[in-house]
Amino acid sequence: DGGITQSPKYLFRKEGQNVTLSCEQNLNHDAMYWYRQDPGQGLRLIYYSQIVNDFQKGDIAEGYSVSREKKESFPLTVTSAQKNPTAFYLCASSIPWGEQYFGPGTRLTVT
Amino acid sequence: DAKTTQPNSMESNEEEPVHLPCNHSTISGTDYIHWYRQLPSQGPEYVIHGLTSNVNNRMASLAIAEDRKSSTLILHRATLRDAAVYYCILRDGHRGSGTYKYIFGTGTRLKVLA
Repeated sequence: DGGITQSPKYLFRKEGQNVTLSCEQNLNHDAMYWYRQDPGQGLRLIYYSQIVNDFQKGDIAEGYSVSREKKESFPLTVTSAQKNPTAFYLCASSIPWGEQYFGPGTRLTVT
Repeated sequence: DAKTTQPNSMESNEEEPVHLPCNHSTISGTDYIHWYRQLPSQGPEYVIHGLTSNVNNRMASLAIAEDRKSSTLILHRATLRDAAVYYCILRDGHRGSGTYKYIFGTGTRLKVLA
């Protein structure tokens, strides 16, 4: 089955630690996206990538980093510089001009 | 980026039609209107999109006002599985790369009553 996988579903970390969230897709989509969602709010774009080895900052990129070494993978690192990292993180992918397909999300809790 | 305005919440009885409104008074001529929905603790899923004409698919219908400043997502017979947050989003249709940013608002939380 084609789709987007995000792992793990729940992630717990101590403050001051970097953590990397996984996002893999087998849809052969060129573009991939990372969003953050806080309780009761809509999604906000962190980073997006149009092709391999290329990515752009979204609206809230500070404290996050990404890489796009393979078409299928777009991992997101939440660094210790992110002031409020606890959130629901969603990855998506799309073909040019197509709708975005979202993964199931990773809920990150930092204490 | 053009913005959308939606009611915070709506209720519907099961098996009845639901009309979810969206205002987008600053829409430009190249903006597509997209609707997504998000079930609790899941990622959003695509519902429907349109530019000028009304659109139908297996999930819903989209009615777009003639001046394009508003639109309505229509669920013909609401079921309990339709309880979700529905987002109305504008997408710029003229970005050369085909990659674009969605601006998500807070959406409309639909409650379906049995």
